Parts: sequence; structure tokens; C-alpha cells
Amino acid sequence: AQSVTQLGSHVSVSEGALVLLRCNYSSSVPPYLFWYVQYPNQGLQLLLKYTSAATLVKGINGFEAEFKKSETSFHLTKPSAHMSDAAEYFCAVSELITGGGNKLTFGTGTQLKVEL
Amino acid sequence: DTEVTQTPKHLVMGMTNKKSLKCEQHMGHRAMYWYKQKAKKPPELMFVYSYEKLSINESVPSRFSPECPNSSLLNLHLHALQPEDSALYLCASSQLRVKGADTQYFGPGTRLTVL
Repeated sequence: AQSVTQLGSHVSVSEGALVLLRCNYSSSVPPYLFWYVQYPNQGLQLLLKYTSAATLVKGINGFEAEFKKSETSFHLTKPSAHMSDAAEYFCAVSELITGGGNKLTFGTGTQLKVEL
Repeated sequence: DTEVTQTPKHLVMGMTNKKSLKCEQHMGHRAMYWYKQKAKKPPELMFVYSYEKLSINESVPSRFSPECPNSSLLNLHLHALQPEDSALYLCASSQLRVKGADTQYFGPGTRLTVL
């Protein structure tokens, strides 16, 4: 089965600083990888996804992620943090379900705190 | 429109009650999902429907009963729940275009408390 590991359950950065959230995957086949963000008491919103079209993926709100096969990584970055980026971030890997649909398996999440 | 709606937003129920959660989407998606999310944890898949047919049941207890009356609507019927079932229940939907790579769009969730 495919899985993802997120290193660092809590990350704190200063406003304007670089954001780096780490995600490593385990998969025997080329994976489909996603980053979602969850604000308090809300659902999940897609930031970006990797589907093998390009290794550098740009998402919403200035986020991007680079797929590195050699490192089995898909880290999320943003050049300059904003207070509104404070949220929980989930990396996920997707597998096709035989009967239709796809199963998302999430990492344990990283809580991002942005300080003034 | 990429909106998935869920009702109610909050639900408090006793262990002997019967209640239902509702999820709706009008994006023409043909796959719909239920997830359970405990506090400070990632979402965990419960059920998947594809073309209104149950595609996967992740060994969910029978006190949770899903239903997909049509391609836009997904229900989760609850009966004889336990306090440990208290959680945020998330609904999602996706197209069925790119095998394994379709984006799932999530609703805001229903916060369930079982007393």
C-alpha cells in the first residue's frame, strides 16, 4: 500500500519567511500526490497536486511543490509566509479503487503557525 | 462552482437516536466519499460511491449506513452510535476521469457529538 510521511507535526515561521513543509512518500508505482490545507472547523481545500505532468507544481496562494523521485519527496514551499497561511496542511497519496473512485491516504498533518 | 454542501453543520445525538447526515454536489461528479476526522488527526476514508454504487467500505461498523439516492446526493444514516464516534464527518466528490488522479472536493463537514 502507498503511504506518505510528514516530518514535523508543528512548524513555526515568521511572517515573510520561507515556508517548507515536508512530505515523503512510499509507493511501488509512480504516485499521485496532493497537498490539502484545512482551516479550523472547515473542510479540506486543494493546494496542488502532482500527476506526473511536471515535477514542479504550482498551486494556489503562492504555494508550490517539487516532486523528487530520487528522494521520494514532495515538499511544499512558499517564499513568503502570510498570517493567513496559518492552518493544518496534509500531504496525501491517491490510489485508484477497483470499483471506481480513488482512495486518499493522508499524512499525519503539519500545523503551520505564522508569527509576527 | 466547486462547492460541496453538508447539513447539518453541527449535530448532537444520544446513543439511542437515529439521525442522518446529508451531502450534496452539483458539479456533475460521479464519485462521492465519506471521511471521518477525529480531532488533531487526518481524515480517514469510510465509504466511496461510484455511479451511485458502493465502491468501497473501509470496514466501517454497521451503525453507519451510507446511501446514494442519486448522483448529486449522499447520505450517512446513523444509529446506535457510541461516544467514540464523535468526530468531524467530511463529504467529498470527484470526477471519474483520470485514474487515481482526480481531485476530491471537500465539504465543510458535520461536527457530530454523541452523548
